[in-house]
Amino acid sequence: NAGVTQTPKFQVLKTGQSMTLQCAQDMNHEYMSWYRQDPGMGLRLIHYSVGAGITDQGEVPNGYNVSRSTTEDFPLRLLSAAPSQTSVYFCASRKTQGSEAFFGQGTRLTVV
Amino acid sequence: GESVGLHLPTLSVQEGDNSIINCAYSNSASDYFIWYKQESGKGPQFIIDIRSNMDKRQGQRVTVLLNKTVKHLSLQIAATQPGDSAVYFCAENLSGTSYGKLTFGQGTILTVHP
Repeated sequence: NAGVTQTPKFQVLKTGQSMTLQCAQDMNHEYMSWYRQDPGMGLRLIHYSVGAGITDQGEVPNGYNVSRSTTEDFPLRLLSAAPSQTSVYFCASRKTQGSEAFFGQGTRLTVV
Repeated sequence: GESVGLHLPTLSVQEGDNSIINCAYSNSASDYFIWYKQESGKGPQFIIDIRSNMDKRQGQRVTVLLNKTVKHLSLQIAATQPGDSAVYFCAENLSGTSYGKLTFGQGTILTVHP
């Protein structure tokens, strides 16, 4: 039972590079979200989705794009990485808005 | 520019004591609340949840209290153990036009001394 799977676990990028953080869940959950977590801070919502084809912005969406073409996958794209995007990124999914969120193990991203 | 990192609130207790972790939430329209535990290097793990039509819910060694009047949530851990040492976050589900949005509080570091 895989749950929420994030890849890669670690990544180093140069400023200006682009990349996609992958997130997949096998629980048939409608709701998926991306968070970033910086040292000494809580989780801040980047983007979220309430179903395939539907996405919306969270608290800190600038510099990130998302799409939701399938129920299972919710990739997060950094089009031009900046040092301010150095963080740990967590993907989460949940069945309904009244249920708990399950988290992946995180992607530690460093932008130099 | 980059925001300055904040210092998380901390709580230090002795093994066997009861712990109380507090959280103030932001939106009076929030209808569902969750407590998470996060250990170093891991993703958050679910502890207990509560809906807005309740004011108390109990689990195994944990109790969540909800005071909607002052928008306050607390997590009580009975007979705290060293394995309970972690960062604890509360989360609120925003209803209405922001449905589907689950936002997190700042977090509290719990340290349990043997």
